[in-house]
Amino acid sequence: QVQLVESGGGLVKSGGSLRLSCAASGFTFGDYYMTWIRQAPGKGLEWVSHISSRGSVKFYADSVKGRFTVSRDNSKNSLYLQINSLTGEDTAVYYCARAIEQQTFDYWGQGTLVTVSS
Amino acid sequence: SYELTQPPSVSVSPGQTVSITCSGDRLGDKYASWHQQKPGQSPVLVIYQSTQRPSGIPDRFSGSNSGNTATLTISGAQAMDEADYSCQAWDSTSLYVFGTGTKVTVL
Repeated sequence: QVQLVESGGGLVKSGGSLRLSCAASGFTFGDYYMTWIRQAPGKGLEWVSHISSRGSVKFYADSVKGRFTVSRDNSKNSLYLQINSLTGEDTAVYYCARAIEQQTFDYWGQGTLVTVSS
Repeated sequence: SYELTQPPSVSVSPGQTVSITCSGDRLGDKYASWHQQKPGQSPVLVIYQSTQRPSGIPDRFSGSNSGNTATLTISGAQAMDEADYSCQAWDSTSLYVFGTGTKVTVL
């Protein structure tokens, strides 16, 4: 069965950095586009970043452009998100999700919490 | 930027039908999806391509999309359907866009 397991979240000071990981299993990882989505406490879902199956095409939300970098290692079935210059507005649960051609996400991980303190 | 608007909350009695709307400019020209999120859990896709149900999703969940409005309908709502529901669509400028979310209460 498809599994997505995020890790790497934690408490970080404003201006700091973190690297989030997402370990995928149960499907051919290299065949799928992958996405990061976040949810601030008590708020709605916000798409963050998207990477093509081979990693050659990357997109970012305007709110994170220039600070976040998405990458993947298909040999390790892993997705990554490097997040820099963190502010309190980046405090959220970060989910990785598998993107499908119908322009949505059919599987989500359990999420990893990033808390930015001042 | 493209925006999707949902009512903040709706309520339904057990066994009754409830519909949740999602409004966006010419949304009917796009694929709409719906994600269910129960407290403390990750979202689950319940409708994709506006009307399609993934395997394992009960047939009491249905979707429609026309004009500027997509609708998720739960027919014969059950206590287990109490959750937040977010619509989502893809836009060529904003890419993936989520709606504002609707809390469904079954009481």
